[in-house]
Amino acid sequence: EIVLTQSPGTLSLSPGERATLSCRAGQSVSNSYLAWYQQRPGQAPRLLIYGASSRATGIPDRFSGSGSGTDFTLTISRLEPEDFAVYYCQQYGSSPITFGQGTRLEI
Amino acid sequence: QVQLVQSGAEVKKPGASVKVSCKASGYTFTRNYMHWVRQAPGQGPEWMGTVNPYGGSTSYAQKLQGRVTVTRDTSTSTVYMELSSLRSEDTAVYYCARLGTNDVFDVWGQGTMVTVSS
Repeated sequence: EIVLTQSPGTLSLSPGERATLSCRAGQSVSNSYLAWYQQRPGQAPRLLIYGASSRATGIPDRFSGSGSGTDFTLTISRLEPEDFAVYYCQQYGSSPITFGQGTRLEI
Repeated sequence: QVQLVQSGAEVKKPGASVKVSCKASGYTFTRNYMHWVRQAPGQGPEWMGTVNPYGGSTSYAQKLQGRVTVTRDTSTSTVYMELSSLRSEDTAVYYCARLGTNDVFDVWGQGTMVTVSS
């Protein structure tokens, strides 16, 4: 199975700053089938990005994804208070589907 | 609107089984695979398995093979996940998630907390 390693584990920033989150795969993710989810406390994950760089419906354009192969990045251009949450990457190009361990974005 | 509503929290003893339901509404039930994902406290999500609501075919994570069963009832648009021989490591929030047109989980249930404790 493809192991996804996210870094950093915790990222401390302030509203208005730029956040860069990394997801590295143990082997190439086919067709860039890499997604990003946001999870707030007590809530289910929420889809942000699919296909490495396509925003899901209703997701603000301050969220962007990039990368291919084994290295992927989620960038939040200007942090809003509601963006402080945990972010997970997920690969769906190979079975089984796997998730990273998460990056906590805190104030 | 598209919605997945799960059954309530469960407390089980080691060795018991649990069955969690997920009722779908707001779309044609048989058009989208349904998956189950669990999340232990403080951990990342873990994929468990999936069912094709149209034909009923299933696929499971190798780690859970033999202990997990996913079924569906098309008459009520409900998917079920049953996990047997429960152990403390199965304590987690269990989510159903719809596979959308882009092959990602676009709609999630609210989650069901399952606690395994003697």
